[in-house]
Amino acid sequence: NAGVTQTPKFQVLKTGQSMTLQCAQDMNHEYMSWYRQDPGMGLRLIHYSVGAGITDQGEVPNGYNVSRSTTEDFPLRLLSAAPSQTSVYFCASSYSKGGRRYFGSGTRLTVV
Amino acid sequence: AQSVTQPDIHITVSEGASLELRCNYSYGATPYLFWYVQSPGQGLQLLLKYFSGDTLVQGIKGFEAEFKRSQSSFNLRKPSVHWSDAAEYFCAVIRSDAAGNKLTFGGGTRVLVKP
Repeated sequence: NAGVTQTPKFQVLKTGQSMTLQCAQDMNHEYMSWYRQDPGMGLRLIHYSVGAGITDQGEVPNGYNVSRSTTEDFPLRLLSAAPSQTSVYFCASSYSKGGRRYFGSGTRLTVV
Repeated sequence: AQSVTQPDIHITVSEGASLELRCNYSYGATPYLFWYVQSPGQGLQLLLKYFSGDTLVQGIKGFEAEFKRSQSSFNLRKPSVHWSDAAEYFCAVIRSDAAGNKLTFGGGTRVLVKP
């Protein structure tokens, strides 16, 4: 019973590098989201998806891309990493709009 | 735009004492309301949620929260804290009348428990 799986758990990038944070869920949830967590700011929504092929922007989408080709996967792409993107990233999924969110264990990203 | 405010950044409470964490939201209609807890280095765990009905909601780990429409508040309470309650707590809301899936979080309240 895996739930929401995020990889990698830790990553260090150099400024300007690109990478993809992976998120997969095995609960057949339609709703998936990406958040970043920074001290004193709680979790801020980056992008979200309400189903395969449908994505939309959250509060802080700049510098990030997403796609949703399958129900299970919702990868987050950093196009050109910047030190301001140093953060902890969480992926979440839910069965319905108001339903309980299941969170992954997070990816700690450092951009130097 | 909706926003969620947790006025207290840090709270220190003695073990066995009561705890109340404040949450206010700025949004016209009643949203879906949530409280999450995050232990150090861990992900988020749902404590409780409110959609409609009884305004006093019971959650896990002995927590409860009360929705007060007139104050746009959803404060979290526990009658007697345990050392294991030391964590960061987040209030979150979803607009009930909007499409999409935007769960908006407050800035969090870090709870320290003194022996």
